[in-house]
Amino acid sequence: DAGVTQSPTHLIKTRGQQVTLRCSPKSGHDTVSWYQQALGQGPQFIFQYYEEEERQRGNFPDRFSGHQFPNYSSELNVNALLLGDSALYLCASSKQGVGETQYFGPGTRLLVL
Amino acid sequence: QKEVEQNSGPLSVPEGAIASLNCTYSDRVSQSFFWYRQYSGKSPELIMSIYSNGDKEDGRFTAQLNKASQYVSLLIRDSQPSDSATYLCAAIFGNEKLTFGTGTRLTIIP
Repeated sequence: DAGVTQSPTHLIKTRGQQVTLRCSPKSGHDTVSWYQQALGQGPQFIFQYYEEEERQRGNFPDRFSGHQFPNYSSELNVNALLLGDSALYLCASSKQGVGETQYFGPGTRLLVL
Repeated sequence: QKEVEQNSGPLSVPEGAIASLNCTYSDRVSQSFFWYRQYSGKSPELIMSIYSNGDKEDGRFTAQLNKASQYVSLLIRDSQPSDSATYLCAAIFGNEKLTFGTGTRLTIIP
């Protein structure tokens, strides 16, 4: 049973560029959440997708956008990259429902130069 | 702002001793609480979930929840060097997003 997968594992971009990160949820899961984790901090919620729609959103600008596909996989897009966007980006999958446990993928480490 | 607070540590515990990690949260309606372990450079790994007042045990780990006092703790018995990691406390407030604390860095001293 494959767990949550993410690609790529590492990425280097320059300011102003755009990036797309990908996530495939754990088998049987239908909900994908994205988090940003800066060094020394806890993960910060970006948004959550269910049934191909953004269901909840954290305090992130519109430069951060996403998509969920019919097979439940998801993409996170970040436009006009800033140096401060450098972080570990985590995808977590779960079954839809209140209080459901979220399982994390290995993450994508993004460095913006 | 609904928050989860943790002591950032670092917390040092001798091998074989009990490590105690604590977490407080701001919202009385919180129903779901989680402890994740995160090794340096890796993603968070679920250790325990707890939803009801009292203790929940899983091997060497025990989670304790006290909703009246709004705190949740994690005890690690017979601590091993492999337990050295950052431990993240998280809560779901109502039907909202998973909110994390900043994590407590635990070091087990051989």
